[in-house]
Amino acid sequence: ETGVTQSPTHLIKTRGQQVTLRCSSQSGHNTVSWYQQALGQGPQFIFQYYREEENGRGNFPPRFSGLQFPNYSSELNVNALELDDSALYLCASSFGTLNTGELFFGEGSRLTVL
Amino acid sequence: DQQVKQNSPSLSVQEGRISILNCDYTNSMFDYFLWYKKYPAEGPTFLISISSIKDKNEDGRFTVFLNKSAKHLSLHIVPSQPGDSAVYFCAASAISSGSARQLTFGSGTQLTVLP
Repeated sequence: ETGVTQSPTHLIKTRGQQVTLRCSSQSGHNTVSWYQQALGQGPQFIFQYYREEENGRGNFPPRFSGLQFPNYSSELNVNALELDDSALYLCASSFGTLNTGELFFGEGSRLTVL
Repeated sequence: DQQVKQNSPSLSVQEGRISILNCDYTNSMFDYFLWYKKYPAEGPTFLISISSIKDKNEDGRFTVFLNKSAKHLSLHIVPSQPGDSAVYFCAASAISSGSARQLTFGSGTQLTVLP
């Protein structure tokens, strides 16, 4: 059984740039959620993808966008990076959208915006 | 507006003793509550959950208690082991926009179990 994998693990960008983070879901899982974890805080829900469409969104601006592919892998794109976007970005997979909350998380992509 | 709060950033206990981690929430729409454990350089891993219709759920050394009237839940670890040292996140689950089930996390408690 392959777990959730994310890439890259670390990256540094400058303010105003764009970034793409990638996630492969655990085998058998068809739903991907993205979370942002700022330093010293808990993860915050960005959005969820199911059947290649956004299925729910947290309190994040439109410059945060995503994609899900037919193999259930996913991308998170952030445009016009701001300093406050520096965080650990976590991808989590599950089966179905009404899962009670047991998610399988990857190790995360740590983004630093200078 | 923090809907899920963990007021203790850190907790130290002696090996073999009980660890009690606490969590408070404000949103009555939450219907599942979960605890996740996180080691450095790893993603959070699911530990235990409880439905809002129950007041206790047990899994081995881990027990979660839910007090709906007080909007409070706690995680008990008995006996505590050094390998339990990690950051513990309380999370609450509700259906958000669309049909997505969204987790709202607390800020975490660093548990250190001393040998």
